[in-house]
Amino acid sequence: EADIYQTPRYLVIGTGKKITLECSQTMGHDKMYWYQQDPGMELHLIHYSYGVNSTEKGDLSSESTVSRIRTEHFPLTLESARPSHTSQYLCASSESLPGGPTLYYGYTFGSGTRLTVV
Amino acid sequence: AQKVTQAQTEISVVEKEDVTLDCVYETRDTTYYLFWYKQPPSGELVFLIRRNSFDEQNEISGRYSWNFQKSTSSFNFTITASQVVDSAVYFCALIGDSGAGSYQLTFGKGTKLSVIP
Repeated sequence: EADIYQTPRYLVIGTGKKITLECSQTMGHDKMYWYQQDPGMELHLIHYSYGVNSTEKGDLSSESTVSRIRTEHFPLTLESARPSHTSQYLCASSESLPGGPTLYYGYTFGSGTRLTVV
Repeated sequence: AQKVTQAQTEISVVEKEDVTLDCVYETRDTTYYLFWYKQPPSGELVFLIRRNSFDEQNEISGRYSWNFQKSTSSFNFTITASQVVDSAVYFCALIGDSGAGSYQLTFGKGTKLSVIP
């Protein structure tokens, strides 16, 4: 049973439209992430957040923006979609290390949003 | 800086053959965590295994086995008697614990496995 939810699962949208990809988790994790995956498979970190009102850009420059107003919610917005934004977007969350390496389980990923901009 | 290298971009095997996916990592952290994920054509990332740097025991889970060797910085994944359902992209990943609290996951570029019936 998924504890992190992404909607929509698939989205086809016209150039110039504004879109928001939703990501919510029910685990109370403080850290959340957005990855962009190109057709060549490689995963690129585009945004992350270590808590409410904290957002940072990742390794790959992205025209998208994110917000973290609530712990459980980390939406990604594209103000004006372009065909170059066509990709799969994966959201993830993780907890902070609770005090011992044997207890750290890493990231939990959502099912992803496949975005196609035409 | 962390780095994960999956030298095999694509592998094709015939059903029932064994296949090993290679993963080599680099990190300066003494505490770190290694992961394998499977991504089927549907697109979601499925967690397969986690290993921390203190635990070098190899693991077997059904047809899957993992060989973690700190001396060669490798964390290889073997599928025994492969099946068509094993066809997917497999990612090796690393989180280093530098004590700074970042815990950013570094992925390899993935290995696409095709199992031919």
